[in-house]
Amino acid sequence: KNEVEQSPQNLTAQEGEFITINCSYSVGISALHWLQQHPGGGIVSLFMLSSGKKKHGRLIATINIQEKHSSLHITASHPRDSAVYICAVVSGSARQLTFGSGTQLTVLP
Amino acid sequence: DVKVTQSSRYLVKRTGEKVFLECVQDMDHENMFWYRQDPGLGLRLIYFSYDVKMKEKGDIPEGYSVSREKKERFSLILESASTNQTSMYLCASRSNYGYTFGSGTRLTVV
Repeated sequence: KNEVEQSPQNLTAQEGEFITINCSYSVGISALHWLQQHPGGGIVSLFMLSSGKKKHGRLIATINIQEKHSSLHITASHPRDSAVYICAVVSGSARQLTFGSGTQLTVLP
Repeated sequence: DVKVTQSSRYLVKRTGEKVFLECVQDMDHENMFWYRQDPGLGLRLIYFSYDVKMKEKGDIPEGYSVSREKKERFSLILESASTNQTSMYLCASRSNYGYTFGSGTRLTVV
């Protein structure tokens, strides 16, 4: 069983829809990253969370440490949000990243 | 703005060649990482370095080596490239505030 599980694997939405991507993990963590990867490969860190909730523009990330669960929400989705979204947890004394398998989001105009 | 720069976006190399993938960061970070990304397998750690001349094996170090002679530069070396090393390679560095990733190098070994 993977230490980090994301759902769904693929998500297609219409422009303007509210989107939720989920991440569950099984290990103790010190932080969790949400990453965005556009075609071509470059990865951008959207959020780093250790508790509670963060908001940046139309993106909202939440984490529940007790339930070992995090969600990434996109409000008023737009075709430019189409990308792979990856959850990654920071754990261990070396604070290494363990990645989820990613969610491919496609937002249709 | 902080940056992690990978020297090449796309590389095509022949089987048996020695390949160098370069990564440079301008943030004075001590910790640097090399990952590879494959469909269905996600991102996997190859090697990391926590200081100059220090290196640690990650989850899949076989067939790779690394070099960290200066703090800002972390090189991934494929001593004798093989077709199963065709992949996307990502470099990252880390501070107390989180990770910064490079844009990736897509390596094809033919």
